[in-house]
Amino acid sequence: QVKLVDSGGDVVQPGRSLRLSCGATGFILNDHAMHWVRQTPGKGLEWLTVMSFDGNRKEYADSVKGRFTISRDTSTNTLYLQMNGLTTDDTGVYYCARALVGYSLDLWGRGSRVTVSS
Amino acid sequence: EVVLTQSPATLSLSPGERATLSCRASQNIYISLAWYQQTPGRAPRLLISDASNRATGVPARFSGSGSGTDFTLTINSLEPEDFAIYYCQQRGTFGQGTTVEVK
Repeated sequence: QVKLVDSGGDVVQPGRSLRLSCGATGFILNDHAMHWVRQTPGKGLEWLTVMSFDGNRKEYADSVKGRFTISRDTSTNTLYLQMNGLTTDDTGVYYCARALVGYSLDLWGRGSRVTVSS
Repeated sequence: EVVLTQSPATLSLSPGERATLSCRASQNIYISLAWYQQTPGRAPRLLISDASNRATGVPARFSGSGSGTDFTLTINSLEPEDFAIYYCQQRGTFGQGTTVEVK
């Protein structure tokens, strides 16, 4: 079965770090560009970052540039999002997603909930 | 940066009726537009890519049209499961969503 299983969501204090994971089954991560998107009450759906299929290109939204890092482990077929310097504005549900073509995202994980609170 | 404006914010319709949703881009984006459906507690689901290409498994009652700055998602004959929130997207930008609710 083709799916993405995201995990790692938690409650953390402002300024702390968290790493989200996204395990891919039924397909090879290297064959697709992969994205992270979050959904917050204040901003709705917000695109965060993309890694190209070959891993050579990574792009970030201005809101997370310098704080978040996308990466992958091809041996385990897992995508990651390392989040540093978290603020309350980062509270939301984080989705990993596979690109069909360009930025059209045809497969989504179920989402990981991140709450940043003191 | 492209801004996507969706209208209306809420559409109140009855099952069997046609829904017409609009997405306007702040600049020419050619056909680089996708549409998603989201129901409560679930991830978005891709409906349309490249403005008019239906994604795999999406019913034929969903259709997308438009190019440049004006785009439309049409749902012919609403089914109960179609009452949801719909988002348009162009690269790293999402619209604010249109809620299709039961009248």
